[in-house]
Amino acid sequence: RKEVEQDPGPFNVPEGATVAFNCTYSNSASQSFFWYRQDCRKEPKLLMSVYSSGNEDGRFTAQLNRASQYISLLIRDSKLSDSATYLCVVIRNSGNTPLVFGKGTRLSVIA
Amino acid sequence: NAGVTQTPKFQVLKTGQSMTLQCAQDMNHEYMSWYRQDPGMGLRLIHYSVGAGITDQGEVPNGYNVSRSTTEDFPLRLLSAAPSQTSVYFCASSRTGSLNQPQHFGDGTRLSIL
Repeated sequence: RKEVEQDPGPFNVPEGATVAFNCTYSNSASQSFFWYRQDCRKEPKLLMSVYSSGNEDGRFTAQLNRASQYISLLIRDSKLSDSATYLCVVIRNSGNTPLVFGKGTRLSVIA
Repeated sequence: NAGVTQTPKFQVLKTGQSMTLQCAQDMNHEYMSWYRQDPGMGLRLIHYSVGAGITDQGEVPNGYNVSRSTTEDFPLRLLSAAPSQTSVYFCASSRTGSLNQPQHFGDGTRLSIL
């Protein structure tokens, strides 16, 4: 099992829809979690951190479920500009890869 | 604010050539790293550094060398380019030695090996 797994998509949703992505991780010692956004042919950029109690930033909500070892990202009222690939990142302070990126989930918001 | 600057943005090499990808950051970040991104593979860590004078191997270090003589610079050297090293390379940095800080990425270097 890969350490960080994401559904690659693509998720094709109409404007205004609510869409959710999950990211599962296998290392129970993982300590911190993030969501990054990557536009086509651009660098990844931090979208939001994921806190244990869940956190919200405008239309975006991130949640962590340690018992089931997954994080989620919910996007409400999708905009065309939300079209991108969303990468989850898991941090563990061990091994030779302290940060592990998922392969990303591609979202296309359609007018 | 320059942030993380990578040069060159594009490069074409012949098999067997060597070259250095440059990465510089002006944020006084301690942690710097190099990733390669290939279709269907996601971002894979090549090498990283937790501070000047300290480097370590990531997931896919073979064929690459790094050095960290200053806080600002973290060059990546391809010793003898191979077609399998055709990829998009990203340099990233973050504040302090804690990995709980967001990673700031450069614009990337698109490298093709013929």
